[in-house]
Amino acid sequence: SQQGEEDPQALSIQEGENATMNCSYKTSINNLQWYRQNSGRGLVHLILIRSNEREKHSGRLRVTLDTSKKSSSLLITASRAADTASYFCANSGGYNKLIFGAGTRLAVHP
Amino acid sequence: DVKVTQSSRYLVKRTGEKVFLECVQDMDHENMFWYRQDPGLGLRLIYFSYDVKMKEKGDIPEGYSVSREKKERFSLILESASTNQTSMYLCASSRQGTLWGYTFGSGTRLTVV
Repeated sequence: SQQGEEDPQALSIQEGENATMNCSYKTSINNLQWYRQNSGRGLVHLILIRSNEREKHSGRLRVTLDTSKKSSSLLITASRAADTASYFCANSGGYNKLIFGAGTRLAVHP
Repeated sequence: DVKVTQSSRYLVKRTGEKVFLECVQDMDHENMFWYRQDPGLGLRLIYFSYDVKMKEKGDIPEGYSVSREKKERFSLILESASTNQTSMYLCASSRQGTLWGYTFGSGTRLTVV
């Protein structure tokens, strides 16, 4: 399987803390993307980092990419209860096709 | 507001029935995808299409077929539903090329009894 893996599988933090999620993948990539899914809903695209980029920011999100280690991390700073969701990384292992990991479940407690 | 619309949020079907899951996007996207999502397994690609009347098998196409007669509509067909096809089905679309994120529908939770 080309599927990547997120780590940890579940994360529980308090509001205001930072949340870090890691992702590893197996194939070479054109880009790596992060998505969020609220319970029972579809996924929402958060951020895309190209294979020639090392770091990217979007609001409270910071994504890093290390192609030599085939890994990425998503940092959510100053987390809020509304950030509670599952987070997925996805890599473009093939033409127009994303391969998703199993996700990290984040719980942010007030 | 641009979106991907899946025709049903919840669906209950009987074993052996032919099931149609419909997906419509209003963004003029070339690419459309069907995934299924199961606990602990993440999202697995069933079929995708990068143009009208074109289709490609994903990782788990067995027991499924698709139809794309118009650019905005991508249908997933379960030829003879089985209980192991009980799952959340997610449709997505994207622009052509590898530098675009996907837009997902809200999902259809299918239960086969």
